[in-house]
Amino acid sequence: KNQVEQSPQSLIILEGKNCTLQCNYTVSPFSNLRWYKQDTGRGPVSLTIMTFSENTKSNGRYTATLDADTKQSSLHITASQLSDSASYICVVTTDSWGKFQFGAGTQVVVTP
Amino acid sequence: GAVVSQHPSWVICKSGTSVKIECRSLDFQATTMFWYRQFPKQSLMLMATSNEGSKATYEQGVEKDKFLINHASLTLSTLTVTSAHPEDSSFYICSAPTGWREGYTFGSGTRLTVV
Repeated sequence: KNQVEQSPQSLIILEGKNCTLQCNYTVSPFSNLRWYKQDTGRGPVSLTIMTFSENTKSNGRYTATLDADTKQSSLHITASQLSDSASYICVVTTDSWGKFQFGAGTQVVVTP
Repeated sequence: GAVVSQHPSWVICKSGTSVKIECRSLDFQATTMFWYRQFPKQSLMLMATSNEGSKATYEQGVEKDKFLINHASLTLSTLTVTSAHPEDSSFYICSAPTGWREGYTFGSGTRLTVV
């Protein structure tokens, strides 16, 4: 069973609207959680990284939150653009450069 | 920032032949390289971890004799798919740890199609 669950599996949003992606994990121990953006046919690119003590982290129009107590994270995309169409992957690491678990990703499609 | 250059970006080969995929770290030394496979609409699946100067560590279920990994230098790691079959058709990606803030830097991926 995957220890990192992402939802929804996919979503379609209108350009300019906001959306929120969810990541729930059971990975333990916990070191950090990263959100990556993967364009179709390309390698993932890091958006944010959060450690146990961090609750929120922003990168432009992307804002990630982390609740280490409930083991939940979210990625909020503000004022979506067509270029935001991609797969967003949540990755949880158990120690500094140790074992990590990938979520299955959320496919986001932004339409005009 | 750090860049991992992956080549080729796509390759079509005949069944039974071998294909080599290269990942080079630019402007940094990669003592470790992770190799993944990704099928359409699925998540990245770790295949193996290569360490410069030593044997690669393969994940359960990955045939080490079929997916040969070489990490002979601090800037180059290669994955060779030997005796490729159509079921090996997939998207292969490498990544290297590049620092706390950047995390893992990924290559741009290689689309392998075996016909």
